[in-house]
Amino acid sequence: ILNVEQSPQSLHVQEGDSTNFTCSFPSSNFYALHWYRWETAKSPEALFVMTLNGDEKKKGRISATLNTKEGYSYLYIKGSQPEDSATYLCAPWAGNQFYFGTGTSLTVIP
Amino acid sequence: GAVVSQHPSWVICKSGTSVKIECRSLDFQATTMFWYRQFPKQSLMLMATSNEGSKATYEQGVEKDKFLINHASLTLSTLTVTSAHPEDSSFYICSATGLAVITDTQYFGPGTRLTVL
Repeated sequence: ILNVEQSPQSLHVQEGDSTNFTCSFPSSNFYALHWYRWETAKSPEALFVMTLNGDEKKKGRISATLNTKEGYSYLYIKGSQPEDSATYLCAPWAGNQFYFGTGTSLTVIP
Repeated sequence: GAVVSQHPSWVICKSGTSVKIECRSLDFQATTMFWYRQFPKQSLMLMATSNEGSKATYEQGVEKDKFLINHASLTLSTLTVTSAHPEDSSFYICSATGLAVITDTQYFGPGTRLTVL
């Protein structure tokens, strides 16, 4: 079992604030890491697939970076909007499966 | 992105009965489907990996005779919880992906909330 830690567990920010969260994972035998956005009562939505050390991906106001040598990935949201409120999950692949963190729950206050 | 449906979205059943959950990829051919379970305040835990036309691979601690998985086509996988008991109450969710499992996007269904009385 791979220990995947996401921090913080939950976060409340004001609309317009920028924020970031962390996904930590063992750095050995890294293959890929996926980020998802999961709104209540909906399907988790894929945000990024990251594979290379130093990878930076961007989708609108959301971006992510990857450091495979030290075993972490950051997710950034610039100018948070209420519609960004969701739980953000990361899932590195190790062995033969994805291991999910418990997520960071983001609430953006209008 | 691709759409994966899951049915039913919630189900309540009596102890000892069987429940079937369907996972369908609506607009792409899912070579691989994963079934996960999530208990309150815990992360998604993989139960089994299902490849079209072959037997599912179950994770350690998941009883294959209790959680029957069938992946008969590239668009449908089913999970049957046989003789369900209250401890099987959980959130079950499937995902579907293509051949490059590690790097292809995983598309998730919305999940099924199972409550066993």
